[in-house]
Amino acid sequence: EIVMTQSPLSLPVTPGEPASISCRSSQSLLDSVDGNIYLDWYLQKPGQSPQLLIYALSYRASGVPDRFSGSGSGTDFTLKISRVEAEDVGVYYCMQRNEFPVTFGPGTRVDIK
Amino acid sequence: QVRLQESGPGLVKPSETLSLTCSVSGGTISSYSWTWIRQPAGKGLEWIGRIFASGSIEYNPSLRARVSMSLDKTKIQFSLRLTSVTAADSAVYYCARDTPYLLWGQGTRVTVSS
Repeated sequence: EIVMTQSPLSLPVTPGEPASISCRSSQSLLDSVDGNIYLDWYLQKPGQSPQLLIYALSYRASGVPDRFSGSGSGTDFTLKISRVEAEDVGVYYCMQRNEFPVTFGPGTRVDIK
Repeated sequence: QVRLQESGPGLVKPSETLSLTCSVSGGTISSYSWTWIRQPAGKGLEWIGRIFASGSIEYNPSLRARVSMSLDKTKIQFSLRLTSVTAADSAVYYCARDTPYLLWGQGTRVTVSS
């Protein structure tokens, strides 16, 4: 199975400042047939179910603020928050669905400094 | 507005079978794929498997020997069975629709203990 890693695992942030989370996969997530990269980002706020932020590398899910953006290629991916807000705290997970079984990264805990 | 709701016993004895149901309201189950994901307390997410509206199923190889899923289109729900449970199966179990997972249930906590 594809192993997903994330860094850092903990990220203290200052409101108004940018933040970045890295995710790496043990194999390329580039689909050779359609050229898409099936890498998604989820945020799990305290006490809640995970919520979809970014899908297929860089597409924001409906209702997700444009301060969130996803990028990357092959095996290295980044989630960026242009200006962190207090409501952005929680655990961020990257997830690959390019190959069966679907696998998640270990999560990055984001909290306010 | 489509909603997912997990239900089932919160406590299961070791070696017994865990059975959960995800009820879909406000929509049909005759499209999409339907997934189970779990999260042990304080830990990350583990994909258990998914069932397609067509009836085809994919299980995580790590659980394949113990897991089964089914779909009930008349009741608009899908189910998870996990046999021979141990304490390691204690987790919050989520159901979700399709990929990417835009729609999740609220989760149901299952504890395996005698």
